[in-house]
Amino acid sequence: GENVEQHPSTLSVQEGDSAVIKCTYSDSASNYFPWYKQELGKGPQLIIDIRSNVGEKKDQRIAVTLNKTAKHFSLHITETQPEDSAVYFCAATDPHAGKSTFGDGTTLTVKP
Amino acid sequence: NAGVTQTPKFRILKIGQSMTLQCTQDMNHNYMYWYRQDPGMGLKLIYYSVGAGITDKGEVPNGYNVSRSTTEDFPLRLELAAPSQTSVYFCASNAGGPAAFFGQGTRLTVV
Repeated sequence: GENVEQHPSTLSVQEGDSAVIKCTYSDSASNYFPWYKQELGKGPQLIIDIRSNVGEKKDQRIAVTLNKTAKHFSLHITETQPEDSAVYFCAATDPHAGKSTFGDGTTLTVKP
Repeated sequence: NAGVTQTPKFRILKIGQSMTLQCTQDMNHNYMYWYRQDPGMGLKLIYYSVGAGITDKGEVPNGYNVSRSTTEDFPLRLELAAPSQTSVYFCASNAGGPAAFFGQGTRLTVV
């Protein structure tokens, strides 16, 4: 089955700095890679996603890159703000079953 | 739109007790999922369903059962609660496309 590894497990940055979270996956059949933000006491919320036929996608301060050959993808947050503090999860999706395998999460803390 | 609604939000069970975690969605999604999230860990898939009447096991199905008699509802049953089932449980749904909508979670403690 699919295996997703996510690094780092914790990340602390100063407000205004950039944050990068990296994930690797094992199953070359995975073709969709969503990123979720989970705030304390809430369910995960989709923030950005990328499909395997695209190398990069941006949405304001958030971007995701995908290297399909190396089987890794990354989340980039620029100009971080305290409200970006949360746990971030990456996932790799099996298109046939519609199932996602999640990484273990990264706790991002943005210090004012 | 309510989205995905889970009940209860919190529950304490004694070892050996049983309970049902409820999940309902009002988006007419075919795909529904149950995950558990242990502290500091990602989400592990327990069971999923691709439509009414169809269910399948995920990564960690032991100790759980599900049913899907309607499109809207996907209850998760714990028959003999064990301390290892202490976790936060999330229900999610999607329309068969990749994005998943999550409920707010049920925090279960087994003592």
